[in-house]
Parts: sequence; C-alpha cells; structure tokens
Amino acid sequence: QLQLQESGPGLVQPSETLSLTCTVSGGSVRSASSYWAWIRQPPGKGLEWMGSIYHGGSTDYNPSLKSRLTIVADTSKNQFSLRLTYATATDTAIYYCARVSCGGYCFSDSWGLGTLVTVSS
Amino acid sequence: QSLLTQPPSVSGTPGQRVTISCSGFSSNIGSPSANWYQHLPGTTPKLLIYNNNQRPSGVPDRFSGSKSGTSASLAISGLQSEDEAEYFCAAWDDSLQGVFGGGTKLIVL
Repeated sequence: QLQLQESGPGLVQPSETLSLTCTVSGGSVRSASSYWAWIRQPPGKGLEWMGSIYHGGSTDYNPSLKSRLTIVADTSKNQFSLRLTYATATDTAIYYCARVSCGGYCFSDSWGLGTLVTVSS
Repeated sequence: QSLLTQPPSVSGTPGQRVTISCSGFSSNIGSPSANWYQHLPGTTPKLLIYNNNQRPSGVPDRFSGSKSGTSASLAISGLQSEDEAEYFCAAWDDSLQGVFGGGTKLIVL
C-alpha cells in the first residue's frame, strides 16, 4: 500500500527558505502513471495546490507561487521535495504531499498526514 | 479564495440523508471530473468518490457522487455519527493543476 510522509522543520524564520521532503513507500516516484503534488492548507482556510512534479522531472507550479517555489525529485531515495524561498507568515500552513493518478480523469488517491510549518521569528 | 465553492457546514441526524455541493466547474476550471474526500483531524484525507461518481473499493455505498453542469454533489445516506468530519471536493483541470473546495464540516446532531 502506498504511503507518503512529509518531513522538515516545523518553524521557519521569515524571509528564509521553507524546505520539506516527502518520502514515498510502497510505490515509486519514477512511476509513469503517477505524478506527485504538494498541497497546503493555511489555518482556517481551504486547500491550495502548490505544484507538481511529473515522470521525467518536469514541473508545474501554481502561478501565485511560481517565482518562489521549486519542486525536485530524488529517485535514488524515492523522495520529492519542495523549496519555498522568502517565507512569510502567510506561508504558515499544513503542508501535504500527494500522489495524483491520471488516465482519462485524474484523482489523488494517497496523501501524507501533513506537517505544520509555522513562519515566525 | 477557493476556486470551488462549498457550504461551510451541513448537519443531519442519524439515519438521515445529507448532500454537500461543490460549485465552480466550467466557469472557473472547465469540466474535469470531481473527486470527494473525507478528512478527520490527524488522519490522511480519504478518497470517497473519484471521476464524479466512482467509489474506491472499501467505501460504503452510503456515499455517492454526481456532477451536472457547473456543480458536483456528494450524498451521504443513512447518516452515522462516525461520518462527522470535514469533506472537500477536488479536481485536476485540463492543465493538470489541482483545484479544491474550501471544505464542508458535517455535523451529526
């Protein structure tokens, strides 16, 4: 059974870089039938798609984050990661990683538990 | 602001049928298929419905989905106390970008 687990610092200083890793088990980030996404939920707000990485390493980002966000995959460790530069308090959120499967229609069938990141001095 | 709109909360009594709406398809994101999730605090979101009305194995048939025009709906029949949770809709648009509803808290009275 596929499992995803987010890891990284729970506290980030304003203006610094927020970095998180998602470790995948029970499946491969190299799978051609899946792609991998980061999604976040600020306190009291709805979910926001941040970006995705596809088979072969191509990426797609939410336009609102594109200038600050980088998503990469490490196939040797079966992980994918995000880096969000110049963090501010508005980046405080629960961050989730997820697998998305597409085949005529798309859906996300596996999510991590999520990790809370607070941006504060 | 979420691109898909859900009511903040709905409520029902045990045994009742409730529906949760999700609007914004076509006008905001084209017409991709709708997916629904149940989310309890401290757990991973659980996929209840995919491709508008398909249930993954293991999801009770009390949960059903539909989509028509600009809206999708999740119906829960035979409401149980353990159904009290947050429910959200999601879709992946033509550019494979994810869009989500703001979430609906289901209260079982």
